[in-house]
Amino acid sequence: DAGVTQSPTHLIKTRGQHVTLRCSPISGHKSVSWYQQVLGQGPQFIFQYYEKEERGRGNFPDRFSARQFPNYSSELNVNALLLGDSALYLCASSLALGGEETQYFGPGTRLLVL
Amino acid sequence: SQKIEQNSEALNIQEGKTATLTCNYTNYSPAYLQWYRQDPGRGPVFLLLIRENEKEKRKERLKVTFDTTLKQSLFHITASQPADSATYLCAPATGFQKLVFGTGTRLLVSP
Repeated sequence: DAGVTQSPTHLIKTRGQHVTLRCSPISGHKSVSWYQQVLGQGPQFIFQYYEKEERGRGNFPDRFSARQFPNYSSELNVNALLLGDSALYLCASSLALGGEETQYFGPGTRLLVL
Repeated sequence: SQKIEQNSEALNIQEGKTATLTCNYTNYSPAYLQWYRQDPGRGPVFLLLIRENEKEKRKERLKVTFDTTLKQSLFHITASQPADSATYLCAPATGFQKLVFGTGTRLLVSP
């Protein structure tokens, strides 16, 4: 079975541009979460979606937005990129909501903002 | 605000020894605590989950404890192997699924 897939794997952008990152969850998983991981730190929660509705939002500016589609795939959009947005962006899927649910992470998209 | 502390210094141990990693949390009461392994450039991989009413959980060479009084979880790898070298992340969780990760502890197991 395919795991969580993310695209693209790497991306280079310049300040002020916008970026769209994509995630396909494991088949049957209805929850998708997005995390930002900067070098040397643990993943920081950005968004969680379940059944196409936003169920949680981390402490990120409004430049960050996301959505989940009817097939449960998801997009993360970041506008007006800043140098500090350079990070590994991780997508995780799970069957449902709840702190007991195992999160399955994708390989991430490495974003570099110049 | 919620705070999770893991030893930021790398832990270096000899093959065959037991590695013990610490996770301390403050300002909240998680119902669950998850441990993940992360290899360089890859996404975290789930290892173990322990509930607040469980003192200890084992899986093969792994053992996790959860002390809600001390607000601490210990993660043990017995008979460690070089292949265990990775960064280990703890993530206390409340009833909902917003995982809050610690910074992780890098484990280096030398032959």
